[in-house]
Amino acid sequence: EIVLTQSPGTLSLSPGERATLSCRASQSVSSSYLGWYQQKPGQAPRLLIYGASSRATGIPDRFSGSGSGTDFTLTISRLEPEDFAVYYCQQFGFSPQTFGQGTKVEIK
Amino acid sequence: VQLVESGGGLVQPGRSLRLSCAASGFTFDDYAIHWVRQPPGKGLEWVSSISWNSGNIVYADSVKGRFTISRDNAKNSVYLQMNNLRAEDTALYYCTKATGYTSGWYDYWGQGTLVTVSS
Repeated sequence: EIVLTQSPGTLSLSPGERATLSCRASQSVSSSYLGWYQQKPGQAPRLLIYGASSRATGIPDRFSGSGSGTDFTLTISRLEPEDFAVYYCQQFGFSPQTFGQGTKVEIK
Repeated sequence: VQLVESGGGLVQPGRSLRLSCAASGFTFDDYAIHWVRQPPGKGLEWVSSISWNSGNIVYADSVKGRFTISRDNAKNSVYLQMNNLRAEDTALYYCTKATGYTSGWYDYWGQGTLVTVSS
């Protein structure tokens, strides 16, 4: 099983700041099968990034994804109030498909 | 696109429960469906997936042999039969639409149905 380790566990930032979230895989994952989800309190997750760097429909361009192999990054260029949430990375290139444990982005 | 889960509730350990997911707003039999769960206050765990024609079905090891996924394309519905439930199965269960025939990203999610396993 591929383990996805996200860091940091919690990121405390102010609106307008840049957020950088990391997702490290226990073995190499094709970037085609790496994605990111956002979950706000009381809501279902939603797809943000697929294929490591492609934004899903309706996702603002302040969200960007990058990386390859075992190291992937989600960047939010300037945090808006609605961006404070929990973010999960996920892979489905290997069975079982797995999620990271999540990074909470909270208001400082 | 809408996915509506139902069937959750409080159940004793060892008992069974059947979850349903009713889909609308897309061509249902063109896409795989995943079940994902989230224990209270915790992260996401993939549970099971079923391809468009039920030809490819996979389970997480944690539920293999106890849970059975199925779909009825005539009714635009997917089901998760959960047997021999354990306390660690307590979670909010989400039905999600995949982006492909056999797998893919989870591009639409239901609001979830809560399963609580407790005596």
